[in-house]
Amino acid sequence: DFQMTQSPSSLSASVGDRVTITCRASQDITNSLAWYQQKPGKVPKVLIYAASALQSGVPSRFSGSGSGTDFTLTISSLQPEDVATYYCQRYDNAPLTFGGGTKVEIK
Amino acid sequence: QVTLKESGPVLVKPTETLTLTCTVSGFSLSNARVGVSWIRQPPGKALEWLAHIFSFDTKSYSMSLKSRLTISKDTSKSQVVLTMTNMDPVDTATYFCAQIKEGAASLAFDIWGQGTMVTVSS
Repeated sequence: DFQMTQSPSSLSASVGDRVTITCRASQDITNSLAWYQQKPGKVPKVLIYAASALQSGVPSRFSGSGSGTDFTLTISSLQPEDVATYYCQRYDNAPLTFGGGTKVEIK
Repeated sequence: QVTLKESGPVLVKPTETLTLTCTVSGFSLSNARVGVSWIRQPPGKALEWLAHIFSFDTKSYSMSLKSRLTISKDTSKSQVVLTMTNMDPVDTATYFCAQIKEGAASLAFDIWGQGTMVTVSS
C-alpha cells in the first residue's frame, strides 16, 4: 500500500529561522511531488510542484528539493504569515496520496 | 477563469448515501486534458485523497474506501459527481474537489473548490 510519510508532524520556530520539512514516498515517484500550504479555515494552496518548481506568486523563501523517494520543503526565513499546515502529495499516478501534514507555528 | 464549486447535503444520516457535485467553469470536461479529484478533511485532521477521474474517463479510488466510492462526470453539465455509500459519523468532513492539468503542463492541484462541510449524524 503506497504511503507518503511526512515529518515532523509539528514544529515551532522563531521568525527568521530556516525551517525544513521532509516527505518520504514508499516507492519511487520521480519528481511528481507537490507541496501545499493550508492556513486555518482556508483552501490548500500549491507552493511547489515537480518537487522543486515554485508556483507563480509564491515567495522565493519557499523551496523544494528531492527526487525518487525523498523530498524536502524549506522555508529559508520563517515569517509570521507562514503559520500554516503543510502537506506533500504525489500527483503522478493513483493513489494521489497526501502526507500527514506538518503544522508550523511561531515560537 | 477556472473555478470549481462543490454542492451537496450539509447533513446526512448514518447508512445513507452521500452524493456530491463539483461544478466546473472556465474549461470543458469533454476536451481539456484536466483531471478532477475529490479530497476530504475531517475537522482538525489531515487531507485525504478519495477519488480521481482523468480526462479520458479512467477512474481511480482510495484503496481504503474503494468499495464505497463512485466518481463520474457529466460533460454536458460540466459536473463531476462523487457518491459515497453507507455513511458513518467518521465521514464527517469538508469535501473538496480540485483540478489538475495532465501531462507535462501539470502544476499539481492548482485550483480547488471552496469545500463543502458534510456532517453525518442521526
